[in-house]
Amino acid sequence: SQTIHQWPATLVQPVGSPLSLECTVEGTSNPNLYWYRQAAGRGLQLLFYSVGIGQISSEVPQNLSASRPQDRQFILSSKKLLLSDSGFYLCAWTDQLDEQFFGPGTRLTVL
Amino acid sequence: GQQLNQSPQSMFIQEGEDVSMNCTSSSIFNTWLWYKQDPGEGPVLLIALYKAGELTSNGRLTAQFGITRKDSFLNISASIPSDVGIYFCAGQRMDDYKLSFGAGTTVTVRA
Repeated sequence: SQTIHQWPATLVQPVGSPLSLECTVEGTSNPNLYWYRQAAGRGLQLLFYSVGIGQISSEVPQNLSASRPQDRQFILSSKKLLLSDSGFYLCAWTDQLDEQFFGPGTRLTVL
Repeated sequence: GQQLNQSPQSMFIQEGEDVSMNCTSSSIFNTWLWYKQDPGEGPVLLIALYKAGELTSNGRLTAQFGITRKDSFLNISASIPSDVGIYFCAGQRMDDYKLSFGAGTTVTVRA
């Protein structure tokens, strides 16, 4: 069966520090991968998606970037965090039926 | 992706009552998905719908793909305390890698 992992689960970072969030998927190959951000009590905002290694599409111009160094690994990064980067970050993958499955999320607090 | 119109935004219900929520869009979708999110966790896929008019059940949950392909509803029968959470609808257009999400329906159950 397929599983999706995210780490860290929680993170507290100072403004101006770098960021690296990791997402890995097991039990499938060549998945489409997605990064979302969710503000408290709000809906899901798509940040990036990838349909293959090295292929990244950005949905919202911002302080973040994404990379896909391996087939089942998706990384969300920032060189310098802003206060507005705080939120709940969710990674997701889709199967051949286009059903999207989410990871457990990373709670990021920028102080 | 495009935001779907999901209603109601929130609801307080008595344990044992039935719950209904819906999503509408100005666009035609090929797939409708319903998710539930518990606090601090990633959304979990409840039901996936693939054909106009399709009615699918998952335990006490029933969802339908609207005949116009522009709407979907989710029913929860005989609600219990663990039904508390935020329910999201999502739709996907043909040949689109991205999902469009509703803003969510927050369900609170009174014991």
